[in-house]
Amino acid sequence: GAGVSQTPSNKVTEKGKYVELRCDPISGHTALYWYRQSLGQGPEFLIYFQGTGAADDSGLPNDRFFAVRPEGSVSTLKIQRTERGDSAVYLCASSLRGLGYQETQYFGPGTRLLVL
Amino acid sequence: QKEVEQNSGPLSVPEGAIASLNCTYSDRVSQSFFWYRQYSGKSPELIMSIYSNGDKEDGRFTAQLNKASQYVSLLIRDSQPSDSATYLCAVNIGLSARQLTFGSGTQLTVLP
Repeated sequence: GAGVSQTPSNKVTEKGKYVELRCDPISGHTALYWYRQSLGQGPEFLIYFQGTGAADDSGLPNDRFFAVRPEGSVSTLKIQRTERGDSAVYLCASSLRGLGYQETQYFGPGTRLLVL
Repeated sequence: QKEVEQNSGPLSVPEGAIASLNCTYSDRVSQSFFWYRQYSGKSPELIMSIYSNGDKEDGRFTAQLNKASQYVSLLIRDSQPSDSATYLCAVNIGLSARQLTFGSGTQLTVLP
């Protein structure tokens, strides 16, 4: 069906608060990726899911960040005790099988997070 | 050394000219290379992928890959003002990485 969708499109929160960002991948795509993009930089990898499991979470900056994908489709990125440095655009992408090699990742519109 | 490096620009070319964007990567065994276009305030959009040495053409776009030199480029022929955007080079670094590693992007402006 449609492309990758993300909600909310914008989120403003206060330092110390908890936020959840949601990603709905392309139907049928088994692999889902979260990236974070700061102004003037390319996206940086956070975590990758193959089905329901987090296959690689090496990009998560610290234990305040956590993500789930309980049914192998929609994913939620959770940030506890937000800090001003967490302000960025959080991008979600999906791909058909998550093979890496010769496989295209399709990006959602992103969630702009601003921590005041 | 960053894993994926691009000339940060900005790069300005007149309408109708050829725009040349360059990217180098650190891991010699990397095998999948992508160019994404990102308009201001929008998400990255795939425009080209390339996996084998040589050239790959798609309309006005040509991607070039040289694995020996660890170099990938994107040429845009007959540049149009609508091509003005940031172009991101992305690589599956190494043999088994599923995630993409991006360069910082090159901002292209096509002047009417």
